[in-house]
Amino acid sequence: SQQGEEDPQALSIQEGENATMNCSYKTSINNLQWYRQNSGRGLVHLILIRSNEREKHSGRLRVTLDTSKKSSSLLITASRAADTASYFCASPRVSGGSNYKLTFGKGTLLTVNP
Amino acid sequence: EAGVVQSPRYKIIEKKQPVAFWCNPISGHNTLYWYLQNLGQGPELLIRYENEEAVDDSQLPKDRFSAERLKGVDSTLKIQPAELGDSAVYLCASSASGYTYNEQFFGPGTRLTVL
Repeated sequence: SQQGEEDPQALSIQEGENATMNCSYKTSINNLQWYRQNSGRGLVHLILIRSNEREKHSGRLRVTLDTSKKSSSLLITASRAADTASYFCASPRVSGGSNYKLTFGKGTLLTVNP
Repeated sequence: EAGVVQSPRYKIIEKKQPVAFWCNPISGHNTLYWYLQNLGQGPELLIRYENEEAVDDSQLPKDRFSAERLKGVDSTLKIQPAELGDSAVYLCASSASGYTYNEQFFGPGTRLTVL
């Protein structure tokens, strides 16, 4: 079963605009990660935020985490056509015993129109 | 630095046939993962290796799926016999260790179509 659920499922914007994607999760986490997937580069890690962090920046990416609401958001500023991709949130979830598995949501499909 | 290598990139087979996927992780990465990704879904873990040991295979359908990582480097995932519902993308990933804060690096995947 999915740990994270992204919202919206699909988002279409114009180049230069900002894009915001949200992720909700169900169980306590020690970190949350965002990944991007497109046909050219496959699935790529973007950023990791720890449970004791509230906000993190990386280039044009800004991630927030609200553990009280079990939610995270990914903001892409000044979007480019090359940002067109599916974006997934993922977090470790107990898989049995002391094992953890990275559990992904269904993703948000972002389309940036030139 | 070379990334995670997978082959083949595409495979089309008829149901009940066997199929195998190969993965070579990033050099020095002890942890290797196999994921299954269905259309419109996020990847789901099938199995995780620490060196040559399968430390989490709870999600692997063991009646038809098998995997090995004999020398703790490259790995093979096999399906025998394949079913129509196995059509999906099979992703391999690696990380320096299984520590939950470690970034996972993914290969391009193998797109399997079962007819």
